[in-house]
Amino acid sequence: KQEVTQIPAALSVPEGENLVLNCSFTDSAIYNLQWFRQDPGKGLTSLLLIQSSQREQTSGRLNASLDKSSGRSTLYIAASQPGDSATYLCAVRDSNYQLIWGAGTKLIIKP
Amino acid sequence: GAVVSQHPSWVICKSGTSVKIECRSLDFQATTMFWYRQFPKQSLMLMATSNEGSKATYEQGVEKDKFLINHASLTLSTLTVTSAHPEDSSFYICSASLGQDGYTFGSGTRLTVV
Repeated sequence: KQEVTQIPAALSVPEGENLVLNCSFTDSAIYNLQWFRQDPGKGLTSLLLIQSSQREQTSGRLNASLDKSSGRSTLYIAASQPGDSATYLCAVRDSNYQLIWGAGTKLIIKP
Repeated sequence: GAVVSQHPSWVICKSGTSVKIECRSLDFQATTMFWYRQFPKQSLMLMATSNEGSKATYEQGVEKDKFLINHASLTLSTLTVTSAHPEDSSFYICSASLGQDGYTFGSGTRLTVV
């Protein structure tokens, strides 16, 4: 059974710092992995989608990597800003085509 | 923890027919639910936000007459794809708001229209 774990559960850093969020999964047989953000009172926003054949994806200050063999993905945020404060979720599309979600990392960027 | 049960997990239907997808909150009351869809190799996209007892709010470009959302109770929200066509084939997922505790998500429904 696929399980997705995100560490840390919460993170608070000063503005301007680069940071890394981690996502691990137990079964390497995945179709893809996605990173999302949740803002309070709103739905989730898709950030990056990495197909199983890809190693990384970049969008602006965000870079997500995927290492299927080790069951890990990282989301790198460069030059963090207060607007980056949100909960970040990763989700794996497993071999049964089901979305398995991590519990999220709550990120706070202090001005 | 709070669980949303989404059914069916996958469905194949003929073009022109309607398909209903259900999301039930099992151990909590879901005042607000979100419906998303994802086309192959694309990211998840928000379709609509539904609040219990009121009409859903649809995102721009989403046809409300085609994607009927009903949120008549605090534990059940449904998405009905009416007169489905092959271009509606997609992955649909619901999400329920937990207030300050964030969100919980259904496991998704893969719809194939033939």
